Amino acid sequence: AQSVTQPDIHITVSEGASLELRCNYSYGATPYLFWYVQSPGQGLQLLLKYFSGDTLVQGIKGFEAEFKRSQSSFNLRKPSVHWSDAAEYFCAVARYNNNDMRFGAGTRLTVKP
Amino acid sequence: EPEVTQTPSHQVTQMGQEVILRCVPISNHLYFYWYRQILGQKVEFLVSFYNNEISEKSEIFDDQFSVERPDGSNFTLKIRSTKLEDSAMYFCASRTGIGAEQYFGPGTRLTVT
Repeated sequence: AQSVTQPDIHITVSEGASLELRCNYSYGATPYLFWYVQSPGQGLQLLLKYFSGDTLVQGIKGFEAEFKRSQSSFNLRKPSVHWSDAAEYFCAVARYNNNDMRFGAGTRLTVKP
Repeated sequence: EPEVTQTPSHQVTQMGQEVILRCVPISNHLYFYWYRQILGQKVEFLVSFYNNEISEKSEIFDDQFSVERPDGSNFTLKIRSTKLEDSAMYFCASRTGIGAEQYFGPGTRLTVT
């Protein structure tokens, strides 16, 4: 079965600094990859997704992610973090039919003023 | 914009009681899902449902759980005899077809006392 590893449990960055959240997946074929954001007490909001095609995908709120097959990674980036980006970020992987999505443990982002 | 809705937002129940969590997926969606998130942990896949039957389920989804689409709009998760460890946030999700992204509801927080 597919699985996801998010190596960083908690990251703190200063407002205006760049951000990279790491995600590694395990799956035998080309996966469907996702990044979701969850604010405290809220549901999951999709930031971006990769199904096929261009390996650099753009999402909402200025986020982007790059699919690197050779590294089994799908890292999330943002060039300049805003205080409102403080939240929990989940990477997820699904099989080709996107039927059972598996989530990573999440990375909690704290933004310092 | 259409969205997935879930009721109630918070459910408190006593151990051993049955609970039914309700979801209204987006109207033209065909695939339906339940996930759970124990406090502070990752989101876990429970079950997927298509064409009025379960298409996949995880090891968490044991005989205490069942799902149903009783009419054309609702999708329910029933826990027959709740345990303390069932306390979690339960998310419903839906999507249109194979490969499409899943849209998540806001979740129902279940507290078992």
